[in-house]
Amino acid sequence: DGGITQSPKYLFRKEGQNVTLSCEQNLNHDAMYWYRQDPGQGLRLIYYSQIVNDFQKGDIAEGYSVSREKKESFPLTVTSAQKNPTAFYLCASSIGGGPLHFGNGTRLTVT
Amino acid sequence: KQEVTQIPAALSVPEGENLVLNCSFTDSAIYNLQWFRQDPGKGLTSLLLIQSSQREQTSGRLNASLDKSSGRSTLYIAASQPGDSATYLCAVIDTNAGKSTFGDGTTLTVKP
Repeated sequence: DGGITQSPKYLFRKEGQNVTLSCEQNLNHDAMYWYRQDPGQGLRLIYYSQIVNDFQKGDIAEGYSVSREKKESFPLTVTSAQKNPTAFYLCASSIGGGPLHFGNGTRLTVT
Repeated sequence: KQEVTQIPAALSVPEGENLVLNCSFTDSAIYNLQWFRQDPGKGLTSLLLIQSSQREQTSGRLNASLDKSSGRSTLYIAASQPGDSATYLCAVIDTNAGKSTFGDGTTLTVKP
């Protein structure tokens, strides 16, 4: 079955540590996205990539970094510069302006 | 900058009732609009996508409409069931920039 896999489901880190969230898709989609969701709020765009080896900052990119070395993979690193990293992180993919397909998310807790 | 608003933030209805969820957006240029369902602690499940050239889409008990001139979309749920309880989000997709803007969602509770 085609889909998007995010791992791990839950992640715990100490303040000051960098952490990388995994996102893999086998839908053959060109575009991939990272969103952050805080309780009771909608999704805010962190980074997006429309093609391999290219990506753009979204609305809240500060403190985050990404890479797109393969079409299937779009890992997100939450750095120690992100002041409030505890959140639910969602990865998505699409073909051009087509429908977004989401993974099941990673809940990151930083203490 | 595109802004998307969903009102109300929460809605509680008895089972069997028909209901309408609202989504409004500020920039009515050519966009697609997608409705999602989110269960607690889960990712988003796509319900319906309305392309910019369309006025509505239907899937089972769900019907979504799009009125670009007024900057509004509605999601109609017929004969609601307790299993419909979830948060419903709309997203406006900028097909040129490849970005989407989400509303904060409407949390629906259907009481048996």
